[in-house]
Parts: sequence; C-alpha cells; structure tokens
Amino acid sequence: ILNVEQSPQSLHVQEGDSTNFTCSFPSSNFYALHWYRWETAKSPEALFVMTLNGDEKKKGRISATLNTKEGYSYLYIKGSQPEDSATYLCAFKDSSYKLIFGSGTRLLVRP
Amino acid sequence: DTGVSQDPRHKITKRGQNVTFRCDPISEHNRLYWYRQTLGQGPEFLTYFQNEAQLEKSRLLSDRFSAERPKGSFSTLEIQRTEQGDSAMYLCASSLVKNEQYFGPGTRLTVT
Repeated sequence: ILNVEQSPQSLHVQEGDSTNFTCSFPSSNFYALHWYRWETAKSPEALFVMTLNGDEKKKGRISATLNTKEGYSYLYIKGSQPEDSATYLCAFKDSSYKLIFGSGTRLLVRP
Repeated sequence: DTGVSQDPRHKITKRGQNVTFRCDPISEHNRLYWYRQTLGQGPEFLTYFQNEAQLEKSRLLSDRFSAERPKGSFSTLEIQRTEQGDSAMYLCASSLVKNEQYFGPGTRLTVT
C-alpha cells in the first residue's frame, strides 16, 4: 500500500510570515509528484508537477523542491498573504498515472 | 475554472436511496478519474477511464458503486442503496494520458 504523508496537518501564521510544508512518498515506482492548492468551494488548482530528482520550481512567492531518492518534497511560501489560505495537497503519481494524495496541510494566514 | 464541470454540486439524500453524479471533462482529454474525499483526508482514488474503457477500480469501490463513460466523453458515478459512510466529496478529474489532471469542483454528498 502506497502511503503519502504530509506535515503539518494545519498551520496558522501571520501575514508576512514565510512557511513550508513537507510531503513524503515512496521512493519506488515514482513517476511524478504533484502539488495542488484547494480553496473551499473551488476545484483543486495545480501548482507544480515535479519529475526529476533535484527539481526546483517556482511560481511567484511559492516554490517547491523534490528529492526522489529519499522520497520527500518541500513546498515554501514566502511572505504569506491571507489569500494563500487554503489546503495544500501533494500527490504521488505512479506508473499508471493515477494520483495518490496525502491528507493535506490546511494553511490559515491571519491579516 | 479548470474546464471540468460536475453536477450536482451538492446532494442530500436519505439512506437507502440511489444517487447519480455527472462529470463533464475537458473535451480533448482521454482520461477521466473519480476520487472521493472525506473529512480530514486527501482525495482517494476510486476508478479511471481511458476513453470509454474502465481500466482500474479501487477496492474502495464496493458493488454498490458503478461508473460509466459510454461515449468516452462525460462520465456518471452511481451509488446504489446509499449508506451514511458514503457521505463525502466526490471529485472528477480529466487529463491526457501522462499529463496533469484537471479537477472539477466536486459533488458533496450528504446521506441522512
């Protein structure tokens, strides 16, 4: 059984704080690692797709890194804003291309 | 808006009733996935189609669940004889085979 773990489960920060989350996944049978941002009442929104060991991706104030050998990925948010409040999901994509999700990190950014 | 739509957005039903949900994927996408998300958990894979063929079903998908994608376009997910444990968010996603999955907004099912 493939297990994808995310930590922390939830995080409350002040506007302007920087924060990071962890996703750990099996290092075997790896195809890709996805990060999604999911706001209440909306569709999960794709942030990053990462495939190569050592990948680093950036979109605005959000960036992510990938280590496939040890099976972890970090998501960083620099200078958090209230609109960053959401659940951040990571998902491991196996060789059949289906996604196996972690339970998510719920971020609340206080103004 | 990702281009994937689901209907209805919310469904409240009584235990024992049948319900059916619909997913309309992005038109050129040949893969369609169904996931279920319960409180405090991430989405869990249920089943997927490539065109009209159902290629894999999770063991989470009991005999009361059936999914179809008759013409390789929209898909339906039916739950027969609903139970309170079926209460969840049902998410649909579509993609080209290897590519990124685009998710719909989900159907929230409440079984009373």
